[in-house]
Amino acid sequence: EDQVTQSPEALRLQEGESSSLNCSYTVSGLRGLFWYRQDPGKGPEFLFTLYSAGEEKEKERLKATLTKKESFLHITAPKPEDSATYLCAVQAEDTGNQFYFGTGTSLTVIP
Amino acid sequence: ETGVTQTPRHLVMGMTNKKSLKCEQHLGHNAMYWYKQSAKKPLELMFVYNFKEQTENNSVPSRFSPECPNSSHLFLHLHTLQPEDSALYLCASRDRDFSGELFFGEGSRLTVL
Repeated sequence: EDQVTQSPEALRLQEGESSSLNCSYTVSGLRGLFWYRQDPGKGPEFLFTLYSAGEEKEKERLKATLTKKESFLHITAPKPEDSATYLCAVQAEDTGNQFYFGTGTSLTVIP
Repeated sequence: ETGVTQTPRHLVMGMTNKKSLKCEQHLGHNAMYWYKQSAKKPLELMFVYNFKEQTENNSVPSRFSPECPNSSHLFLHLHTLQPEDSALYLCASRDRDFSGELFFGEGSRLTVL
């Protein structure tokens, strides 16, 4: 069964304290892995798509990486405005319409 | 208007009411989705429409009835809901032929009394 697991469930960082969020996945064939940011009471906002192991994408203080079993979202020198829930999703080769989501990591950055 | 727009943003209904959620996408996409988001749970796929044709129905109870009159509009008709149906309902769209990512609306927060 296709599955996505995110860790940690919650993370509190001091402003400027870099860290990483993890997304582990098991799918029969990966078509794509997606990272989203979700603010309270709002819909998820697309951040990155990764397609193959070794691929990396960057946007401001965020960098996403992908291996054959997991993805990391690295946050460098975070600011309070980076506080949000970060969701990971995967799309499998054999279920192209479906996206399997993790439960997310709730990030709080303290000034 | 740009992106994916959902209305209403908040809805409170009794168990015997009938209401509808509306979604409109302005991205020229050809697939639209309904997801349910509950606290501490992954996003739960409800329905998928490709070119107005329903291609996925994820064992959703019949009290939820989707409608997709064209590739830009999607509705979710609600009737005789249960308190456990209270959640954030998210609409999303994507271009099946170009890239994989979903683009979400802001969601409709539903409370069933």
